[in-house]
Formats: sequence, structure tokens, C-alpha cells
Amino acid sequence: DIQLTQSPSFLSASVGDRVTITCRASQGISSYLAWYQQKPGKAPKLLIYAASTLQSGVPSRFSGSGSGTEFTLTISSLQPEDFATYYCQQLNSYPRVTFGPGTKVDIK
Amino acid sequence: EVQLVESGGGLVKPGGSLRLSCAASGFTFSSYSMNWVRQAPGKGLEWVSSISSSSSYIYYADSVKGRFTISRDNAKNSLYLQMNSLRAEDTAVYYCARARGENDAFDIWGQGTMVTVSS
Repeated sequence: DIQLTQSPSFLSASVGDRVTITCRASQGISSYLAWYQQKPGKAPKLLIYAASTLQSGVPSRFSGSGSGTEFTLTISSLQPEDFATYYCQQLNSYPRVTFGPGTKVDIK
Repeated sequence: EVQLVESGGGLVKPGGSLRLSCAASGFTFSSYSMNWVRQAPGKGLEWVSSISSSSSYIYYADSVKGRFTISRDNAKNSLYLQMNSLRAEDTAVYYCARARGENDAFDIWGQGTMVTVSS
């Protein structure tokens, strides 16, 4: 099975900060990676697919990059509504996909 | 509006059964592969099962294989998950989710339905 790790697991930041979250895969997954945002009590929301393609309706302050085994999600200027938990997901072994453990972004 | 709505969750004793449903609307349900994903309280996301658009291909996570059965009725725009021999570790919010395509992300999610397995 392909394992994903995320770093950091917890991040404290202020409104306006630039935030970067890293996702690493245990083996190469090309660009088969997605990013999701989840707020408490809500379903995950797709932000980025194919490693770097912004989902329709998602603000342009979100961006994704990477391929192979290392990927990043960047929020260029953190907004109050961005405080949430972020998960990466590998789709290389679709449909047996796996998710990363999550990164919680909290208010400093 | 594109939407998925789950139902059927609840409290069940260990060893019991439950059937979850997911009603789709606002898109051509029969054109998409569908998935179940669960999230135990305070934990991360775990893929459970997948079914192709015509039900030709069905997959399960090892943790539920032999106990859960995924199915769909394209005429009713509905997805199902029959859960048997339930265990305490199956306690979770269960989400249905649409895949954008093969090897592609899950772009539409339901609101989730809670399943609690406890005596």
C-alpha cells in the first residue's frame, strides 16, 4: 500500500500568512494527488486535483505543486475561513486510494 | 444543484447490520464511479469501497472485505452500503463521494451519516 505522510501535523498561523503543507508518498505516484479542506462537522471539500489543478470555485490563493513523492499545498495569504484541517490523497492506486493523516491549521 | 445525501446511519450492536443509502441529484449519476469513505471520531479519512458506473468493478478496503457490500441503482440515482458483522472499530461518519473520473479526485461529497457500533 502507498502511505502518505504530511508535515506539519499542526500549524499555528495568522491571517495574511503564507502557509505551506507538505505531503510525501512512500513511492512515486506521478501527479495522482489531491488536496482537501475539512472544517469541523463538515464533509471534505476538494481544493486541488492532479497535484496542481485548482478545483472550480476554489480561491486562487490556494495552489498545489509537486510530482513523484513530494507535494505541497500553499495558501498564499491565509484568510479567516481557511482555518481547517487539510488532507492529501493519492490516486495512483485508484480505486484503493489513501489519505494523509491531515494537517490542522489553527489561529495563532 | 449537484448533491449527495446519505441516510441510514444509527446505533447498532456489535455483530449487527445496517444499510446506508446515498441519494444523488443534479448530475448524471450513471456516468460516475462512486465511493464510500469513513471517518472515525477525531480521526482521518479512510476509503471504504468503490463501485464503477455500471457496477462492473467493485473494490473494498481490507478492513471491510467480506463484511460490507457496495451496490447502486442507476435508475433510482442511489448508492448503497450494506454493512454486516459490524464491529466497534466501524464506528464512524460515512460519506459517499463521487469520483471525477478514473484515477481522479472525489469532487462531490455527501454530508455524512453517523454509524455507532456499541453494546
